[in-house]
Amino acid sequence: QSALTQPPSASGSPGQSVTISCTGTSSDIGAYNYVSWFQQHPGKAPKLLIYAVTERPSGVPDRFSGSKSGNTASLTVSGLQAEDEADYYCSSFVVGSFVFGAGTKVSVL
Amino acid sequence: QLHLQESGPGLVKPSETLSLTCSVSGGSISSSRNYWGWLRQPPGKALEWIGSVFIGAQRFYNPSLKSRVSISEDTSKNQFSLTLRSVTAADTAIYYCVKEYADGCPAGYWGQGILVTVSS
Repeated sequence: QSALTQPPSASGSPGQSVTISCTGTSSDIGAYNYVSWFQQHPGKAPKLLIYAVTERPSGVPDRFSGSKSGNTASLTVSGLQAEDEADYYCSSFVVGSFVFGAGTKVSVL
Repeated sequence: QLHLQESGPGLVKPSETLSLTCSVSGGSISSSRNYWGWLRQPPGKALEWIGSVFIGAQRFYNPSLKSRVSISEDTSKNQFSLTLRSVTAADTAIYYCVKEYADGCPAGYWGQGILVTVSS
């Protein structure tokens, strides 16, 4: 299966919002409400931010929100903070497997 | 508090077999009704799902690795293991063991990761 498509980079000033897209196909994102988003700081293991398209695990700030339309999922980070500068990866279930995006580097200007 | 810890050799020769173990504390892998699995990340590159297992039952593998990979478990030690055969330099990566968070989310809990380099 092919990787999901993410923009390589995104940026915003503190307090602003940034939205990252994740485009798949009708076989993955379009077929299932099983999109997850992960945040990874340099040298650290990834951290789960969003699962099942819109759900946040306990402890994840509500500044992070997820959505989906057709074959494209999105992650929005509102009220950007310096600690949000990281790499973000999307993932989708696809019949007995999981596929990931190439990652988006978010910079806080 | 669930804790996952990877262990194994940090260097493997080309064509040989990579074997890693994930030790779990703070929860039982056999009584958990979740999948346990492995992901990897080549240096500077994206995450890749390797496979997931439901202890004692179903297991799923990445189609691109399926012919070389297997995941097994030792419930008496509360561990599960990854075996990847016939490795090449392309298998050099940080390997993470993970626990499913919910249906359709393969990795809600992560180990710290272990770097495995394939080189002669």
